[in-house]
Amino acid sequence: AQSVAQPEDQVNVAEGNPLTVKCTYSVSGNPYLFWYVQYPNRGLQFLLKYITGDNLVKGSYGFEAEFNKSQTSFHLKKPSALVSDSALYFCAVRLYNNAGNMLTFGGGTRLMVKP
Amino acid sequence: DGGITQSPKYLFRKEGQNVTLSCEQNLNHDAMYWYRQDPGQGLRLIYYSQIVNDFQKGDIAEGYSVSREKKESFPLTVTSAQKNPTAFYLCASSSLGTTDTQYFGPGTRLTVL
Repeated sequence: AQSVAQPEDQVNVAEGNPLTVKCTYSVSGNPYLFWYVQYPNRGLQFLLKYITGDNLVKGSYGFEAEFNKSQTSFHLKKPSALVSDSALYFCAVRLYNNAGNMLTFGGGTRLMVKP
Repeated sequence: DGGITQSPKYLFRKEGQNVTLSCEQNLNHDAMYWYRQDPGQGLRLIYYSQIVNDFQKGDIAEGYSVSREKKESFPLTVTSAQKNPTAFYLCASSSLGTTDTQYFGPGTRLTVL
């Protein structure tokens, strides 16, 4: 069974500093990995995804993520955090099967960026 | 939130009542999904549909029902059999390609009084 873990419930970072939100996964096969962001009382917004190719994926709002197959990780990063980046972040994994393109989500990490 | 709309934004229900949450998409997506989100928790899949007039149970389907009579619409009914229905409900849609992205609606917050 596929699974994804976000080991940190909350990450605190000062504005202007680099941020990392961690994600590890477990699948039997090639993973397709996604990051979403959720602002309060809103739906999830797609940030980026890894399908194949370059291990460094660039996405929306200056975010990027690094796929590391040996460590089964897909950490979300940003060189310089903004207060407006404060939100809930979800990592998700999909393994294509006959049941369709199901996503398995991590529990979410709350990012707090302080001025 | 793209071309996916959910209504209402807030919904209050008395115990013992069935309620229906609306989800409509204009993205021409074949697949649609319903998720439940509880405070401090991730998303759990309730039902999904890949084609009109067909749908499958997700991880927590008990107490819920769906229909897919039109490609663009996937309403969710929360029945009185759902013991803890208070939650944030999210609808999503996607194409059926292996690498396609799921896009989400703005959500409906259901509170049982």
